[in-house]
Amino acid sequence: GDSVTQMEGPVTLSEEAFLTINCTYTATGYPSLFWYVQYPGEGLQLLLKATKADDKGSNKGFEATYRKETTSFHLEKGSVQVSDSAVYFCALSGRMDSSYKLIFGSGTRLLVRP
Amino acid sequence: EPEVTQTPSHQVTQMGQEVILRCVPISNHLYFYWYRQILGQKVEFLVSFYNNEISEKSEIFDDQFSVERPDGSNFTLKIRSTKLEDSAMYFCASSYDRDQFFGPGTRLTVL
Repeated sequence: GDSVTQMEGPVTLSEEAFLTINCTYTATGYPSLFWYVQYPGEGLQLLLKATKADDKGSNKGFEATYRKETTSFHLEKGSVQVSDSAVYFCALSGRMDSSYKLIFGSGTRLLVRP
Repeated sequence: EPEVTQTPSHQVTQMGQEVILRCVPISNHLYFYWYRQILGQKVEFLVSFYNNEISEKSEIFDDQFSVERPDGSNFTLKIRSTKLEDSAMYFCASSYDRDQFFGPGTRLTVL
């Protein structure tokens, strides 16, 4: 079945460092890909998405490119801030009947030190 | 900005009791979902609901679980006889198409 694999965390960085969180997927067909962020004590927020190959999703300085050839959707940010500390989830959505259910990776915790 | 709301934020119950978790999705959305996240683990899909019926459910969503949209605004998840392993954060989500918007979650603790 469809699945998402993320790099293990936690990832600890100093403020203004470059961030990469790796995500690869296995899916039939052409899924949409998402990054969600979960701040401490809160629910999941959609960070960015891409719906087809070579699309780049971007938001709040974060970017990810849908790479069909490598089945990847790595999250990057050029300069992280302390406020970016959170858990980041990569997810995919295929389409089955009338459901756009999300399949999540295990999440990667990011800690940014001042 | 419209948002998904969930009540209660925390529910404590005894094993074997019934619980109902409530969600108010965003008003013009068509698809409704429940997910759960056991502490420290990944977010898992439970069930999706479209056009007033279940459109897909996972193997976790057994006969102990049910969903309802009783009045066109609320969306509920019922667990008939809770087990210890049902302790988790339960998230409701809604969408107009693929972009799902999540509520803040209900933390269910089964003692």
